[in-house]
Amino acid sequence: KNEVEQSPQNLTAQEGEFITINCSYSVGISALHWLQQHPGGGIVSLFMLSSGKKKHGRLIATINIQEKHSSLHITASHPRDSAVYICAVRYSGGGADGLTFGKGTHLIIQP
Amino acid sequence: NAGVTQTPKFRVLKTGQSMTLLCAQDMNHEYMYWYRQDPGMGLRLIHYSVGEGTTAKGEVPDGYNVSRLKKQNFLLGLESAAPSQTSVYFCASSYSWAGFPEYEQYFGPGTRLTVT
Repeated sequence: KNEVEQSPQNLTAQEGEFITINCSYSVGISALHWLQQHPGGGIVSLFMLSSGKKKHGRLIATINIQEKHSSLHITASHPRDSAVYICAVRYSGGGADGLTFGKGTHLIIQP
Repeated sequence: NAGVTQTPKFRVLKTGQSMTLLCAQDMNHEYMYWYRQDPGMGLRLIHYSVGEGTTAKGEVPDGYNVSRLKKQNFLLGLESAAPSQTSVYFCASSYSWAGFPEYEQYFGPGTRLTVT
């Protein structure tokens, strides 16, 4: 089974720090998603990308197709960024059922 | 818009009981999904639907059935609940174009199910 690996599993940082969460996958993909799961359990889609880089506010997502790797960056981190961040990929040739999810990175930002 | 809603939010079942989880979306999305989330594991797809009247199996379909009689609703049924089905269940929906499913998924708030 193709895997999606995230690192680190857990990350605690101080407010204001630059945060990087990594995601790697094993074979070719057609798209990669970054999701945020709030402490209350709700899941929100942050980004969907298949190449290059996307930015939304303080969040930046990049993907390197050749290296099969993506990163999610948070600039000027804030306690409200505390959440679980989940990477998911759709492997090339996968249909509507094709998202494979990582186990998530649990981020805590301390004031 | 309410987005994606799930009913109920919490439920406790005894082994062998049955129940139906309801997912509703008001975004006119074609694609709908049921996932389960267990501690230490990523989200796993149970069943999905690419349109009204169609359903298909995902990664972990055993013990579950689904129906999509109306475009806006996707029902997940447990015929005979087992403790292994204790989990948090998420419904999601997404837009599609020309059969291409690659748009962001919108998730419901989840249903926490405990089977004793």
